[in-house]
Amino acid sequence: QKEVEQNSGPLSVPEGAIASLNCTYSDRVSQSFFWYRQYSGKSPELIMSIYSNGDKEDGRFTAQLNKASQYVSLLIRDSQPSDSATYLCAVSNYGQNFVFGPGTRLSVLP
Amino acid sequence: GAVVSQHPSRVICKSGTSVKIECRSLDFQATTMFWYRQFPKQSLMLMATSNEGSKATYEQGVEKDKFLINHASLTLSTLTVTSAHPEDSSFYICSAWPSGGASDTQYFGPGTRLTVL
Repeated sequence: QKEVEQNSGPLSVPEGAIASLNCTYSDRVSQSFFWYRQYSGKSPELIMSIYSNGDKEDGRFTAQLNKASQYVSLLIRDSQPSDSATYLCAVSNYGQNFVFGPGTRLSVLP
Repeated sequence: GAVVSQHPSRVICKSGTSVKIECRSLDFQATTMFWYRQFPKQSLMLMATSNEGSKATYEQGVEKDKFLINHASLTLSTLTVTSAHPEDSSFYICSAWPSGGASDTQYFGPGTRLTVL
C-alpha cells in the first residue's frame, strides 16, 4: 500500500514567519512530487513540483526533496494570511500511481 | 493553460434522483481523468480513474453501478450519481492528466457541490 503522510495540523504561524510543511512517502520508486494548495470549499491548485533531490524555489515557496529519506517539504517565506489553506502533498511515479497525502492545515495569524 | 471545468458547480436534488456532473479539459486533451470525493474537513478520496474509450477503474468500496463514469472523448468525462441519497452529499472534484506525456501532474476542476435532500 503506497502511503503519503502529513501532519494534519493545524499549523499556526504568525504573519511574516516561515511556514514549514512536511511530507513522507513510502514508495521508494516515486519520482515526481507535488504540492497543492486547497482553500476551504475550493478544489486543489498546483503550486510546486519537484523531481530532483535538493531545493527548488519559486517566489516565496521552496520545495525540498530528499529521496534517500523519502521526505519532501514545502517552505513558505513571509507567510501571509492569504496563505491560510490546506496543503496537500502528492507523489507519483512519472504520472502513474498518483497518491495524495491527507493534507496539513496552515493558519497564518495576522 | 491546463484549465479544467466542471458543470454544474452546485446542485441540489431530491433523494432518489440521478445527477450528472461534467468534467472538461478546455485547452488540452486528457486520456485519463480522475474523480474524487471530499467530505467536509476530510482529505480527497479517489473514487475512480476514467480512461477515454474504455471502462473506468473504481477504487475499493466505490459502487460502480451507483457512480457511472463515461469518458467518451479526450476532453470530456461525466460522473452520474444514480439514485442519490443524502449520504452522497459531498464535494465532487475531477482532475485531468494531459495526454502525450507532456505533463505528469493532474489539473483539477473547480468542483461540484452536491446536496441531496
